[in-house]
Formats: sequence, C-alpha cells, structure tokens
Amino acid sequence: SYVLTQPPSESVAPGQTARITCGGNNIDNENVHWYQQKPGQAPILVVYDSSDRPSGIPERFSGSSSGNTATLTITRVEAGDEAGYYCQTWDGTGDHPVFGGGTKLTVL
Amino acid sequence: EVQLVESGGASVQPGRSLRLSCAASGFTFDDYAMHWLRQVPGKGLEWVAGINWNSDNINYVDSVKGRFTISRDNTKNSLYLQMNSLRADDMALYYCAKDGGLINPLYYFDFWGQGTLVTVSS
Repeated sequence: SYVLTQPPSESVAPGQTARITCGGNNIDNENVHWYQQKPGQAPILVVYDSSDRPSGIPERFSGSSSGNTATLTITRVEAGDEAGYYCQTWDGTGDHPVFGGGTKLTVL
Repeated sequence: EVQLVESGGASVQPGRSLRLSCAASGFTFDDYAMHWLRQVPGKGLEWVAGINWNSDNINYVDSVKGRFTISRDNTKNSLYLQMNSLRADDMALYYCAKDGGLINPLYYFDFWGQGTLVTVSS
C-alpha cells in the first residue's frame, strides 16, 4: 500500500510562512490533495491536484511537489489558519484513496 | 450552495446493523461520484467507500468489504451506507463527501457534510 507521512505538528508565528510536508514514494508523480480541518468541523479542500486552489480559498494557500515530498505552503499565516492539515492521494496498489496522518498547525 | 446532510448515526452493539443516509442539495447530484469517509474522534481520516454517478463503479476499503454497502438514489439526491456486522473498530464519525470530478471520479473530496456519529459498544 502507498503510505503518506506527515509530521504530527508544526508551529509558526503570525505573518510568517508555514510549510507542511507530505512524504510518499515518487509523490511528484501523483495528484496530491490537501484538506484543512478545524476542531469540531468537517474537512475543507484547500488544494487539489497538487497545486490548484478551489474557489474561495485564499491565494496564501499553495501546493507543490518534488521527488518524494509534497508541500502545502501557507504564507502570511493568520490565527485562523490554526488547524489540522491532511494530504491525500490515490493508492494504486490498494486501489483506493489514502490519507496522511495529519499535521496540527499551531499559530504561536 | 452545496449542502450534504448525514443522518442515521447511532449507538449499536457489535454485530448489529445501521444505515446511514446523506441528503444532497445545491448541485446536480447525478453528475458526480459520492463517497463515505470516517474519522475516529481525535484521529485521522479514512476513505470508506465510493460510488460513481450511475452506480456501476463501486469500491470499498478492504476492512469493510463484505460488510458495508454503498448505494445512491439519484431521484432522491441521496447517498446511503448500509453497515452490517458492525465492529468496535467501525466506531467513528462518518462523513458524506462529493467527488471533485464531473462524471468521472477523481477521488478527491471538494465538499463534506458535518458527519454522523456511529458508536459500537456492548
């Protein structure tokens, strides 16, 4: 099965740039999607197909991928960005979508 | 505005059955694949099952195959999950989600409901 590895936590000061990574074998060959989940709320799609942004998602959110690492970048971080972030892609071996374990972003 | 409203979650004993429903509105339901996902409170996300627009392509995560059945009624804009032989490790918040692809599923989830809680305990 295809495994996606995320750091459990990251922290960033307001106004700075947060980078949340998602590791997977040759992940730059896959379409990676990112979700934001605040406590008590359903996930929200913030990036799809590795680097595209759904309508309504601020330009501060962007995605990229290189080699074995996909990255969600949040610029000019705000207190409201504090949330869990999950990466997701397709597991071609198991034939189903797969998620990373999630990263809790703390805004200091 | 896309809305997905799940219902049917309950507390049940191991081995029993439960049927979840998801009422969809705000988009052309029969143009999109739909999915069920779940999350143990405080833990990560897991995709459970997906169904394409006309129900001829259905798939499941291995842990629920043979026990869960996903279905849809396009005349009622509704998605269902029949859950049989429930186990303690099925206990989770179950989300209904819309696929991001028009007609052909792309297996990312652009809208989610608020979830319905399934508790399995004796």
